[in-house]
Amino acid sequence: RKEVEQDPGPFNVPEGATVAFNCTYSNSASQSFFWYRQDCRKEPKLLMSVYSSGNEDGRFTAQLNRASQYISLLIRDSKLSDSATYLCVVNTGGFKTIFGAGTRLFVKA
Amino acid sequence: DAGVTQSPTHLIKTRGQQVTLRCSPKSGHDTVSWYQQALGQGPQFIFQYYEEEERQRGNFPDRFSGHQFPNYSSELNVNALLLGDSALYLCASSSAGTGPYGYTFGSGTRLTVV
Repeated sequence: RKEVEQDPGPFNVPEGATVAFNCTYSNSASQSFFWYRQDCRKEPKLLMSVYSSGNEDGRFTAQLNRASQYISLLIRDSKLSDSATYLCVVNTGGFKTIFGAGTRLFVKA
Repeated sequence: DAGVTQSPTHLIKTRGQQVTLRCSPKSGHDTVSWYQQALGQGPQFIFQYYEEEERQRGNFPDRFSGHQFPNYSSELNVNALLLGDSALYLCASSSAGTGPYGYTFGSGTRLTVV
């Protein structure tokens, strides 16, 4: 079993749609959680951290369920510029940070 | 620009050869993590360097080794290259204790093994 698993993509959605990505992790001792965004042929960039209480940044909402070892990212009112690969990232404690395989999002006009 | 600098940007090597990739961290950062990203996959953790020591390693063979210098820059060395080593190699710098909150990635080195 992979340490971090994400929804397979791609997701093709029209502008203005709401889209949700899911991610599960296997190590119950994992300590911190993030969503990164990676544009085509570019480096990953931090989108947002994920907290147990849930957190929101504009159109983006992240949720963490420690009991189910599950992380989600919700994007509301999708924009063309949201088209990218979204990477679920888990720090397992210590100095090891694991990236999921990513979910590709295409937002169409 | 005080971001993360990686060199070279592209590299073509032959099977069996050795390669060295370089990373200069962002100004103020002292920790360097290396990742391998194959096409269509997420970045895979290779190892992390802090205070010139490897302090955590992912599931990569001993053919992958590294070094960190007193100025915090780092090298990734891969010996006996295999076709499967073809990938984008990413360097992420951070400050000790910030972890991935403070990761800044370089643009990567694209390695092709033929």
